[in-house]
Amino acid sequence: NAGVTQTPKFRVLKTGQSMTLLCAQDMNHEYMYWYRQDPGMGLRLIHYSVGEGTTAKGEVPDGYNVSRLKKQNFLLGLESAAPSQTSVYFCASNPPGAYEQYFGPGTRLTVT
Amino acid sequence: AQKITQTQPGMFVQEKEAVTLDCTYDTSDQSYGLFWYKQPSSGEMIFLIYQGSYDEQNATEGRYSLNFQKARKSANLVISASQLGDSAMYFCAMREGLLRNQFYFGTGTSLTVIP
Repeated sequence: NAGVTQTPKFRVLKTGQSMTLLCAQDMNHEYMYWYRQDPGMGLRLIHYSVGEGTTAKGEVPDGYNVSRLKKQNFLLGLESAAPSQTSVYFCASNPPGAYEQYFGPGTRLTVT
Repeated sequence: AQKITQTQPGMFVQEKEAVTLDCTYDTSDQSYGLFWYKQPSSGEMIFLIYQGSYDEQNATEGRYSLNFQKARKSANLVISASQLGDSAMYFCAMREGLLRNQFYFGTGTSLTVIP
């Protein structure tokens, strides 16, 4: 039981490049989330999903797209990376009705 | 307006002493949940404790307790008998509404336990 995993752990991009972050969970959770963590800002919700095939915007969705084609996977895409997207990205999941979110280990992304 | 406010960027506590980390929240919902997470220097997010808006008793989990004052909209975390391993960032968070999935986090408090 791996819990929530994130791929990759680190990545450096040049401005304008694109990439996809993968979040996978093996706990059969319905709900999944993407957050970003910036120094002094805490975690901010980017997008979330309440089930396979569904996505919704969070607090800071601009510049990101997501997809939930399979229940266990939640993908976060950056179509044209900007230095402002340099951050640590966390994925989380939980079953409906549960209050605790299970977090992945994070992905450190640097955009130069 | 900030949904979650943590006004203490950094706190120090002597080992074996108790410490209170402050958190205030802002919501017009009647149903909401309040959480505390710990983030050690290794970076993972560790769930500590949860308080529902309708819970009448303050939540407790081992050495952690949540001092919930609904009228004041505060949800302070109390750590008793501090240990060196408690040194970490602590985040207060809120989930608004029972059916929504919007979570809001505070900016965190860095706690250092002094031997």
